Amino acid sequence: EAGVAQSPRYKIIEKRQSVAFWCNPISGHATLYWYQQILGQGPKLLIQFQNNGVVDDSQLPKDRFSAERLKGVDSTLKIQPAKLEDSAVYLCASSSLRTGTYGYTFGSGTRLTVV
Amino acid sequence: SQQGEEDPQALSIQEGENATMNCSYKTSINNLQWYRQNSGRGLVHLILIRSNEREKHSGRLRVTLDTSKKSSSLLITASRAADTASYFCATDAGYGNKLVFGAGTILRVKS
Repeated sequence: EAGVAQSPRYKIIEKRQSVAFWCNPISGHATLYWYQQILGQGPKLLIQFQNNGVVDDSQLPKDRFSAERLKGVDSTLKIQPAKLEDSAVYLCASSSLRTGTYGYTFGSGTRLTVV
Repeated sequence: SQQGEEDPQALSIQEGENATMNCSYKTSINNLQWYRQNSGRGLVHLILIRSNEREKHSGRLRVTLDTSKKSSSLLITASRAADTASYFCATDAGYGNKLVFGAGTILRVKS
């Protein structure tokens, strides 16, 4: 099966600009996650979708970050305006109801540099 | 907040040696998972162990889980240079299948 697709692979923007990331999960996976991974740290969950509904966005900085998952498939994560501390790798992952056996599938991530 | 804490932070070994990484966590879990991340790449799922399991094997990987101590270990036997990567433990507490990651162990295998 095809993996989780993310784009772009890299992005460099100036602070206060906006940026958007796109994720296409594995077909049939109802749950989609966005994680932020700052250099030298483990991934931190930003938002979790179940189909097109938000399950958990408690760690999403809602004053600048937004995410949507239209029709329960693709998802976009937006940052507006970006700050220097947003420099990180943004990882998208998806899972099915059978995650108890197979774990989560991650995309290759988008590396964001804010200058 | 991070649930799992890996130990050591970094590990350097010779090819052919075994590598052991440990993970401690704070709350009750449904399962614990280990992932590998090569530099600049996404995470790859290695192995999952459920809370009612004590040990699991997959190829050269052996994972143990001690729920009474809230700890897990990952053993990689007969390491290879290609095993050089960061290794993360992640816990699933069963609340909406949300994975919480530790800070990771950087493994370097020298050939």
